[in-house]
Amino acid sequence: IAGITQAPTSQILAAGRRMTLRCTQDMRHNAMYWYRQDLGLGLRLIHYSNTAGTTGKGEVPDGYSVSRANTDDFPLTLASAVPSQTSVYFCASSDGGATGELFFGEGSRLTVL
Amino acid sequence: GQNIDQPTEMTATEGAIVQINCTYQTSGFNGLFWYQQHAGEAPTFLSYNVLDGLEEKGRFSSFLSRSKGYSYLLLKELQMKDSASYLCAVRDSNYQLIWGAGTKLIIKP
Repeated sequence: IAGITQAPTSQILAAGRRMTLRCTQDMRHNAMYWYRQDLGLGLRLIHYSNTAGTTGKGEVPDGYSVSRANTDDFPLTLASAVPSQTSVYFCASSDGGATGELFFGEGSRLTVL
Repeated sequence: GQNIDQPTEMTATEGAIVQINCTYQTSGFNGLFWYQQHAGEAPTFLSYNVLDGLEEKGRFSSFLSRSKGYSYLLLKELQMKDSASYLCAVRDSNYQLIWGAGTKLIIKP
């Protein structure tokens, strides 16, 4: 059982480059999320998708875009990376059940130089 | 604004009991979550409270008081593997999760 798979695990990127973080889930969850986690701060929501074909902006969407062409995949794109986007990025999904708990991927550590 | 407060770091001894507090001020309330996150790993779900009172799950218990905007996570019979960060999160009136910065728990032998 894979759950949620993120790629790459780690990446060093030059400022100004375009980068796509991949996220795939095999749990058939409708809702998917992208968070960033920075030292001393809580998880911050970048973008979310409640179901395939729809997306929404979270707390810190600027500089990021997402798409949700199907249920399983939810890629996050940085169009032109900047050093402030250095962070650990977590993809998560939820089945929207009684608790709506989130299931997280293992994270992608991104460094922008 | 919305705010979740929890201690930055706590230290406890193996075999002991520790209580991690979380206070919140949010726009509405639709449940409170506790997640565990080991260093370099993904957060994993521990507990969910939506009604006042104590929810017990093995060595872990979580308490909620909605009138006080307060929750705690109680860990009993601490083991070295419990060394991790514990994240408190509240689901607000828009069903968005507001996260605390996490409490790093250090367990000493």
